[in-house]
Amino acid sequence: EAQVTQNPRYLITVTGKKLTVTCSQNMNHEYMSWYRQDPGLGLRQIYYSMNVEVTDKGDVPEGYKVSRKEKRNFPLILESPSPNQTSLYFCASSPRTSGIGYNEQFFGPGTRLTVL
Amino acid sequence: AQTVTQSQPEMSVQEAETVTLSCTYDTSESDYYLFWYKQPPSRQMILVIRQEAYKQQNATENRFSVNFQKAAKSFSLKISDSQLGDAAMYFCAYKRVGGSRLTFGEGTQLTVNP
Repeated sequence: EAQVTQNPRYLITVTGKKLTVTCSQNMNHEYMSWYRQDPGLGLRQIYYSMNVEVTDKGDVPEGYKVSRKEKRNFPLILESPSPNQTSLYFCASSPRTSGIGYNEQFFGPGTRLTVL
Repeated sequence: AQTVTQSQPEMSVQEAETVTLSCTYDTSESDYYLFWYKQPPSRQMILVIRQEAYKQQNATENRFSVNFQKAAKSFSLKISDSQLGDAAMYFCAYKRVGGSRLTFGEGTQLTVNP
């Protein structure tokens, strides 16, 4: 089954304790992205990757790191989490878009993170 | 930069009635896509409908249809014959042609009353 998986689905942690949220897709997609969802703000992009070893900042990258060593994986790293990073996080992937072709973006199930 | 605005944080509708959710956007691009996503309590992001800006005809998917006004930069979603399962958060989103990034609105929480 084609899918994007995220782990963990729920996480409660404390300020300053490094954590990683994993994201994996089995569709051989070039493009992967992380979003955070907050009430009244919708989804905002944190980081994205156009392909292996190619990553770039989105709208709200502060306090986050990513890596793309393999095509299927795109982990999100919070090296020193703070309470303002309490949020719902989504990973998404799609084939790389070219020309006017449309490629649907597939979303993972979400990770609910609470930082105390 | 592109922006997407949903001015209705919450909406409610009676079962079997029709409801319209509003969305406006701002872009300098002439070619782009617009989307409506549904997020039920399970938090899953579900694509409801897609509109290509170069198409004048409004997109329709069963009970869901859009009113796309390109000049006004408006993109509303109409849900006909509302069902209890339509209750969810709805997000409007934008993507330029040739790009991969989605820009989302703030969301509208839809309640369906029996």
